[in-house]
Amino acid sequence: DAKTTQPPSMDCAEGRAANLPCNHSTISGNEYVYWYRQIHSQGPQYIIHGLKNNETNEMASLIITEDRKSSTLILPHATLRDTAVYYCIVRAPNAGGTSYGKLTFGQGTILTVHP
Amino acid sequence: AAGVIQSPRHLIKEKRETATLKCYPIPRHDTVYWYQQGPGQDPQFLISFYEKMQSDKGSIPDRFSAQQFSDYHSELNMSSLELGDSALYFCASSSPSPGIAFFGQGTRLTVV
Repeated sequence: DAKTTQPPSMDCAEGRAANLPCNHSTISGNEYVYWYRQIHSQGPQYIIHGLKNNETNEMASLIITEDRKSSTLILPHATLRDTAVYYCIVRAPNAGGTSYGKLTFGQGTILTVHP
Repeated sequence: AAGVIQSPRHLIKEKRETATLKCYPIPRHDTVYWYQQGPGQDPQFLISFYEKMQSDKGSIPDRFSAQQFSDYHSELNMSSLELGDSALYFCASSSPSPGIAFFGQGTRLTVV
């Protein structure tokens, strides 16, 4: 799986948009970009994923560059409860697409939302 | 909605003892993953199962073993426990499509 690079920490004011960048310059054509977050000692929580198109759900938006070498997770209106470690992960289906491989967690971004 | 269930939530064992952690995946999910997270570290992949067969293996010590049963629940068996095995252990499960992995709340193992 391709390696990702994220800033170690970011701050955001409550109510403002949080934009978390991720570089994945060695991503392969069949690898998806996933975002998870982990709030202190809880299980990682799925946020969103995408292949090449921008995606939006009730939690966040994912913007993937046209060359797919980087992406940005956007939390449109950050709250204090969004304070967490955010992980950007690239992952491909296993051969034959019959199952999905492991998620490899690298160093994520510690997002601190302050009042 | 049903989530991944892990038991027990907390476990205290002495050195050289054995521990068994259980994971009940979301219904109709065919893949189970196990992760270990030490203090201040990121989750590290241990092992995974697809349709009850081992599908991938990470940095799992030889003292650890795991299996997935016919009802798709999985167990992680840990023997000759060491102080360094103290960690959070997460289980996750994913469906055939789109393969999103959902995590349980973890088991906190403390070895004393």
